[in-house]
Amino acid sequence: DQQVKQNSPSLSVQEGRISILNCDYTNSMFDYFLWYKKYPAEGPTFLISISSIKDKNEDGRFTVFLNKSAKHLSLHIVPSQPGDSAVYFCAASVNAGNMLTFGGGTRLMVKP
Amino acid sequence: NAGVTQTPKFRILKIGQSMTLQCAQDMNHNYMYWYRQDPGMGLKLIYYSVGAGITDKGEVPNGYNVSRSTTEDFPLRLELAAPSQTSVYFCASSTVDKNIQYFGAGTRLSVL
Repeated sequence: DQQVKQNSPSLSVQEGRISILNCDYTNSMFDYFLWYKKYPAEGPTFLISISSIKDKNEDGRFTVFLNKSAKHLSLHIVPSQPGDSAVYFCAASVNAGNMLTFGGGTRLMVKP
Repeated sequence: NAGVTQTPKFRILKIGQSMTLQCAQDMNHNYMYWYRQDPGMGLKLIYYSVGAGITDKGEVPNGYNVSRSTTEDFPLRLELAAPSQTSVYFCASSTVDKNIQYFGAGTRLSVL
């Protein structure tokens, strides 16, 4: 039973436009959410996070939105750049603890 | 700034062989983790450790063993390799108070 789901395996976006990556979760105990980015032949790297006490967190071109009632979060990248092409994983934890549950990932392709 | 170092990067095993995947971190992190990532899937936790001498099972521990004799090292042992263990293995570490995990570059293992 997947507790964290990324229903879009891939997404293609034109350079300069907005990229929106989505993530749904089923466990209502999750209270801390993270996004990781992964390039080929590299390990995932932390991108941005959000606590359940907030509904938005912004860091430069990256913004994460959390809708607790819908158990849904999204990552917005504006403007998208070719270097953003990677696989993006969302992850969640309980009590902001150290154990993370990962989604299956979404491959983002930003076309020049 | 080595971070988390995994060796080897690639390995091909025959069914029934054994091997140890090495993981070392130089950030003095207490928590360390082993994940596997199958094609198109997210990361699944195999084992984790909250400090030297303390390890515990994750979601998919069968067929693996770990030890943690020092803060820096967290090797993963495969005793009788099976084709189902063909995967990419990632090691990660984190501090006690923050659940941002830092990942190594991964070990790509094929069991034939």
